[in-house]
Amino acid sequence: EAQVTQNPRYLITVTGKKLTVTCSQNMNHEYMSWYRQDPGLGLRQIYYSMNVEVTDKGDVPEGYKVSRKEKRNFPLILESPSPNQTSLYFCASSWGQGAYEQYFGPGTRLTVT
Amino acid sequence: GDSVTQMEGPVTLSEEAFLTINCTYTATGYPSLFWYVQYPGEGLQLLLKATKADDKGSNKGFEATYRKETTSFHLEKGSVQVSDSAVYFCALGALSSSARQLTFGSGTQLTVLP
Repeated sequence: EAQVTQNPRYLITVTGKKLTVTCSQNMNHEYMSWYRQDPGLGLRQIYYSMNVEVTDKGDVPEGYKVSRKEKRNFPLILESPSPNQTSLYFCASSWGQGAYEQYFGPGTRLTVT
Repeated sequence: GDSVTQMEGPVTLSEEAFLTINCTYTATGYPSLFWYVQYPGEGLQLLLKATKADDKGSNKGFEATYRKETTSFHLEKGSVQVSDSAVYFCALGALSSSARQLTFGSGTQLTVLP
């Protein structure tokens, strides 16, 4: 089954404790993205990757890091989480940019206290 | 830059009512337009899309027409069901080689009552 998986689905952590949210897709997609979803703001892109070892900033990259060492995986790293990073995070993948459908993971709800 | 303005929610309808969710956009060039749906506790999934002016996207009884003259992509359904209760996002996909892939509206929560 074609899918995007994320782990963990729920995470509660404390300020400053480094964490990683994993994302994996099994569709051989080149393009992967991370979004955060906040009430009233819709989805805002954090980082995206056009292929292995190619990443770039989206709308709200501050406080986040990503890496793309393999085509299927695109982890999101919070080196020093802060309460304003409490949000619902989605990973997505697609064949390319623009007109291509994006496939979304189920989401990771992160709470930083 | 590109932007999407979506009808504010929440929207509450009775079953079998007619649905319209308004969406307008600002973009350079000729973007693709999408409607995504998010059911409770799930990620977003594509509902329909249109890639050029006057195209009509349709799926599961929902329709939207790409109107370049009014820069709009309103979502409609003639008779909603309780199972249509979800959050709906309008999105714009740029075709340029730079930057972001999709720009989303803020989402519209739809609740359909039996």
